[in-house]
Amino acid sequence: DTAVSQTPKYLVTQMGNDKSIKCEQNLGHDTMYWYKQDSKKFLKIMFSYNNKELIINETVPNRFSPKSPDKAHLNLHINSLELGDSAVYFCASSQPGIRGVIYNEQFFGPGTRLTVL
Amino acid sequence: AQTVTQSQPEMSVQEAETVTLSCTYDTSESDYYLFWYKQPPSRQMILVIRQEAYKQQNATENRFSVNFQKAAKSFSLKISDSQLGDAAMYFCAYWGANSKLTFGKGITLSVRP
Repeated sequence: DTAVSQTPKYLVTQMGNDKSIKCEQNLGHDTMYWYKQDSKKFLKIMFSYNNKELIINETVPNRFSPKSPDKAHLNLHINSLELGDSAVYFCASSQPGIRGVIYNEQFFGPGTRLTVL
Repeated sequence: AQTVTQSQPEMSVQEAETVTLSCTYDTSESDYYLFWYKQPPSRQMILVIRQEAYKQQNATENRFSVNFQKAAKSFSLKISDSQLGDAAMYFCAYWGANSKLTFGKGITLSVRP
């Protein structure tokens, strides 16, 4: 049974479209994340939610809007897609830690490869 | 802000040999964690090993071990008895007071049979 799942695994779309990526975890974790891995494989956090509350919001364009309907789900909606949005997007989950002191392992989903044409 | 630097973009090792992947980081914090993640072609992110900064003993997980030099802010990964399945991209990562995982640019490891 998959711990962190993402749908779809691949997404090809035209510039200007709106698309969503869904993430679900069955680990009972309180914290979920979205990461972006660009074409050079650089991986960077975008958002973090704890119990449906936004905790981390990196410098991400407003076109990206995460939504957490419950603590097992964190979806990523992207408006007006641009060529530069092409990347692999990873969802992850963990129990919350204590800043710098207690870290709880983040479990990553399989990633969604988004291609914008 | 914390930074993680992996200066080697690629490395190659002969099967059964030992290889060391380098990582340096910059931080003013005293409490933090360091990690090595493996990303095979399947793109799944796999945690290889973790090190708590307060622990002086270097972490070890089977064939994987680290050399953690806190004063030098260096965190290298040693893979012993390299196997074909070790071929992947490896990322060094830092986690500290801002509760964010900060990754290095990664290194591609190839294993020659």
